[in-house]
Amino acid sequence: DAGITQSPRYKITETGRQVTLMCHQTWSHSYMFWYRQDLGHGLRLIYYSAAADITDKGEVPDGYVVSRSKTENFPLTLESATRSQTSVYFCASSGKLAAAYNEQFFGPGTRLTVL
Amino acid sequence: AQSVTQPDIHITVSEGASLELRCNYSYGATPYLFWYVQSPGQGLQLLLKYFSGDTLVQGIKGFEAEFKRSQSSFNLRKPSVHWSDAAEYFCAVGTGGGNKLTFGTGTQLKVEL
Repeated sequence: DAGITQSPRYKITETGRQVTLMCHQTWSHSYMFWYRQDLGHGLRLIYYSAAADITDKGEVPDGYVVSRSKTENFPLTLESATRSQTSVYFCASSGKLAAAYNEQFFGPGTRLTVL
Repeated sequence: AQSVTQPDIHITVSEGASLELRCNYSYGATPYLFWYVQSPGQGLQLLLKYFSGDTLVQGIKGFEAEFKRSQSSFNLRKPSVHWSDAAEYFCAVGTGGGNKLTFGTGTQLKVEL
């Protein structure tokens, strides 16, 4: 199916474990973003990528790692999960033209619980 | 750096009543402005956007928003709310160049039947 998908949709893990959240888009968009959503904070940018092999930190990058070897995929890894990383994670993408105006298209989200 | 303020955390309106959700931004130049809606357990859906031109923009689901430069505001309005409009609404601002969106903290809308 066309669009932007995230997997898994729900994940429960334990403190200290490594977790990878997947994001896949079929539009060949250049830009991809990872946000986390927490009550009282809205959405905050974790990392973003302007193209394959180009990534940059956002507002709250600590504890997260990203990679982008292919244009369509942008996985987010929590190297050693902590309870403070319990959140809903959204992936977004944007084509070059839309990116000029910051128009982003969001995936359905992954709800992560760290016990 | 840009910032967005949504002063109302929760709003309750009766079905059929009018709605206005407030959004104020801080940015030196004209920003790109967005309203998103998030239904429970769902992702973010774009309601409307402002890039330039006419300051009153129309969106989906009967929503509109007005950009007021003098007040640094981009308030969302709907003349008659439906029960299905109950959701969380986020205002966001962008500064172009593929950079991030800055989101407000959201307004939770409850609709009373």
